[in-house]
Amino acid sequence: EIVLTQSPGTLSLSPGEGATLSCRASQTIISTYLAWYQQKPGQSPRLLIYAASSRATGIPDRFSGSGSGTDFTLTINRLKPEDVAVYYCQHYGSSPKYTFGQGTRLEIK
Amino acid sequence: EVQLVESGGGLIQPGGSLRLSCTASGFTISSKYMNWVRQAPGKGLEWVSVVYTDGSTYYEDSVKGRFTISRDNPKNILYLEMNGLRADDTAVYYCATGRPSFDYWGQGTLVTVSS
Repeated sequence: EIVLTQSPGTLSLSPGEGATLSCRASQTIISTYLAWYQQKPGQSPRLLIYAASSRATGIPDRFSGSGSGTDFTLTINRLKPEDVAVYYCQHYGSSPKYTFGQGTRLEIK
Repeated sequence: EVQLVESGGGLIQPGGSLRLSCTASGFTISSKYMNWVRQAPGKGLEWVSVVYTDGSTYYEDSVKGRFTISRDNPKNILYLEMNGLRADDTAVYYCATGRPSFDYWGQGTLVTVSS
């Protein structure tokens, strides 16, 4: 079973700064099956990135995904107060089996 | 516009049963992979079940044999029948479309299992 480990647990940054969120898989995964979600306080999750680097509909280009193999990154440029959220990575595997990372909480100072 | 609206949550005693519904609009549920994903209070996301476009169903190990996913195509409603509920099933339950990622999500319905 693939385990996704996200780091850091919490990230506290200032508006205008850039954020780098990491998602590490316990074994090599296919990039096509790696996605990122944003969950703002009190809201449902929203798909940000699919296939590791493709932005979902309506997602601003401040958000970008990259990576391959076991290491994947979500980058958020020019942080805004509305980016406060928990960010999750997710993998789709055979069986099927859908796995989420434990999340990274982003705080804006 | 795609919309998913869950209902049916509530307070239920351990061992009890509950049926959740997810009413879809803006698309036909039989044409999409339809999932249930849950989130325990203050915790992360956990996939629960999926029904494929061909009708195949799959479950997360901890709910196998207790939960049943189904859909009513004419009514465009997705269901999750939950039996033998346990305290650790307490969560907000979301329906979500898609595979391998979840494109659209509902607002969720809270299930609380407690005596």
